[in-house]
Amino acid sequence: NAGVTQTPKFRVLKTGQSMTLLCAQDMNHEYMYWYRQDPGMGLRLIHYSVGEGTTAKGEVPDGYNVSRLKKQNFLLGLESAAPSQTSVYFCASSPLTTEAFFGQGTRLTVV
Amino acid sequence: QQQVKQSPQSLIVQKGGISIINCAYENTAFDYFPWYQQFPGKGPALLIAIRPDVSEKKEGRFTISFNKSAKQFSLHIMDSQPGDSATYFCAASKRDYKLSFGAGTTVTVRA
Repeated sequence: NAGVTQTPKFRVLKTGQSMTLLCAQDMNHEYMYWYRQDPGMGLRLIHYSVGEGTTAKGEVPDGYNVSRLKKQNFLLGLESAAPSQTSVYFCASSPLTTEAFFGQGTRLTVV
Repeated sequence: QQQVKQSPQSLIVQKGGISIINCAYENTAFDYFPWYQQFPGKGPALLIAIRPDVSEKKEGRFTISFNKSAKQFSLHIMDSQPGDSATYFCAASKRDYKLSFGAGTTVTVRA
């Protein structure tokens, strides 16, 4: 039972490049989330999904897009990376209760 | 604008001592208050959580105290151990299960 798996774990992008972060969960959870973690700011919600085929904006959605074509996967896309998107990105999932289970994170650097 | 304010930013405690972390919130619609523990290079993991219908919850050496009228809650780590050295985040959510996190507290337990 892997829980929440994020791919890749590390990535360096040049400004203007695009990339997709993949999150996969094997717990059959309905809810999935993408957060970014920056020093002194805790974790901030980027986008979330309450079920397959649904997505919604969180607190800091600008510059990101998401898709949830399958219940177990939640993709986060950066169409044109900017240095301000340098961060550690965490995916999480939860059942229809409240505990959120987090992945190991993706450390992204945009140069 | 952070919806949950957390203090202190960091603290150092001797082995066997008590660590206390405080959080405050404004949104009275919040009804779930978890604490997450994060080790370097790992994702946050749920440590303990409370709902506003109780004033205290204890799990082992970890206790949440909740003051609904003051809109404050705190985490107490009793008999602190070196293995407790980590970053702790308080969070809050409404029934939509979108967590708003505090900025985090780095706890260092000296042997």
